[in-house]
Amino acid sequence: KQEVTQIPAALSVPEGENLVLNCSFTDSAIYNLQWFRQDPGKGLTSLLLIQSSQREQTSGRLNASLDKSSGRSTLYIAASQPGDSATYLCAAMNNNAGNMLTFGGGTRLMVKP
Amino acid sequence: NAGVTQTPKFRVLKTGQSMTLLCAQDMNHEYMYWYRQDPGMGLRLIHYSVGEGTTAKGEVPDGYNVSRLKKQNFLLGLESAAPSQTSVYFCASNPSGTQETQYFGPGTRLLVL
Repeated sequence: KQEVTQIPAALSVPEGENLVLNCSFTDSAIYNLQWFRQDPGKGLTSLLLIQSSQREQTSGRLNASLDKSSGRSTLYIAASQPGDSATYLCAAMNNNAGNMLTFGGGTRLMVKP
Repeated sequence: NAGVTQTPKFRVLKTGQSMTLLCAQDMNHEYMYWYRQDPGMGLRLIHYSVGEGTTAKGEVPDGYNVSRLKKQNFLLGLESAAPSQTSVYFCASNPSGTQETQYFGPGTRLLVL
């Protein structure tokens, strides 16, 4: 059974800092690894999707990497802004029918002005 | 496009009452999912569907039933609500490809007294 863990559970940084969020998974037989953003009281918004054959994906100030052999993914946020404050969730799409996602518990990020 | 919509947004039930949560998507997606999210935890899959007329159990299916009579709708039913079912419920859809992300609705907050 796939298990996904995110460390740290919460993070507070001053505006402008570069930061890294960590995600680890136990079963490397995945189709892809996805990062989502969740604002308080809202649904999830997809940020980046890394296919199992890829090493990284970039979107603006965000860069996500994937290392299947070690069961790890990282989300790098450059030059953080107060608007980046949210909960970030990673999810592994498992290699089985239904394209099911297994989610980590999330990292709650606060960027202080 | 409205994307994925959920009805209702918020509901209070008494123990033993029943209710149905409605999820609708206008993107012609094949796959649909129901998740629950509890405080401090990631999302856990309740049930999913890979096409009209099909349903399957996820990680935490007990106490819930689902139906997918039309491709665009996925219903989640609670026959006899319990306080342990107090949670935020999210619906999601996926076009069926493993290179695609899941698209989430805004959530339904359910309180069972």
